[in-house]
Amino acid sequence: QSALTQPPSASGSPGQSVTISCTGTSSDVGGYNYVSWYQQHPGKAPKLMIYEVSKRPSGVPDRFSGSKSGNTASLTVSGLQAEDEADYYCSSYAGSNIHVVFGGGTKLTVL
Amino acid sequence: QVQLQESGPGLVKPSQTLSLTCTVSGGSISSGDYYWSWIRQPPGKGLEWIGYIYYSGSTYYNPSLKSRVTISVDTSKNQFSLKLSSVTAADTAVYYCVQLGVVGAFDIWGQGTMVTVSS
Repeated sequence: QSALTQPPSASGSPGQSVTISCTGTSSDVGGYNYVSWYQQHPGKAPKLMIYEVSKRPSGVPDRFSGSKSGNTASLTVSGLQAEDEADYYCSSYAGSNIHVVFGGGTKLTVL
Repeated sequence: QVQLQESGPGLVKPSQTLSLTCTVSGGSISSGDYYWSWIRQPPGKGLEWIGYIYYSGSTYYNPSLKSRVTISVDTSKNQFSLKLSSVTAADTAVYYCVQLGVVGAFDIWGQGTMVTVSS
C-alpha cells in the first residue's frame, strides 16, 4: 500500500493530453510544495520530470507540466508522443518523521 | 556531470546482511548541497525510499525499515553505503543510489543493482 494514490493506468493517442493524479494528505502533498514526478522506462532508472510541484529540470520538454490543488497533485503530458509511454511516479516530502513518500505508479500507454 | 554507481553482491542469503556501496563521480559528496539516498524497487512494483545521509553523517530512514537499515558515508572515497540486516525474500529488489538535490527532488540516479535474497 503506497502512501500516495495514483491510478494504475492512463492512456491517450498521439497528440492528445493526459493527466495523471497523485492523491495524498495534508501531511504530505497538501502540506508542502515538494512534489516531484519521475518517468521510468522498462529496465531503466527513473528520471526526474517535475520538481517543486510545477518546475521542469533542464532538458525536460515543456509538454510536461505539474500542478497541485489541496491534497492532490497532477502531471499533465500534452502532445503525447510514443516515447512518453512509461511508468510515472509521484513523490512528496512528508515531514520530519516520514520524510519521503511515493505513489504506486501509473503506466501511461500511448495508443 | 555527477554520476552514481552502485556495487555489491547480487545474491544474499536470508537472515544475512545486504551491503551495497555507491561511488559518486564528477562531483564531491562533501559539497554540502545534497543528500545521498537509497531507493529500492521490488520486481514489478513501485519505488520505496530507504533513507538518506548528509556528508556530515546525519541520517534519515524510512520508519518501516529503520530498525534494519544503516547508511554511512566515506568522504575520503566519495562513497556512501547501505546495510540492511536480517533480509528476507521481501527485500529482493533493484536498489538505486540517488542524489537528493536542494530542490527536494531525486535528480540524479544510479543505474540500479538487482539484489536477490535466496538460499
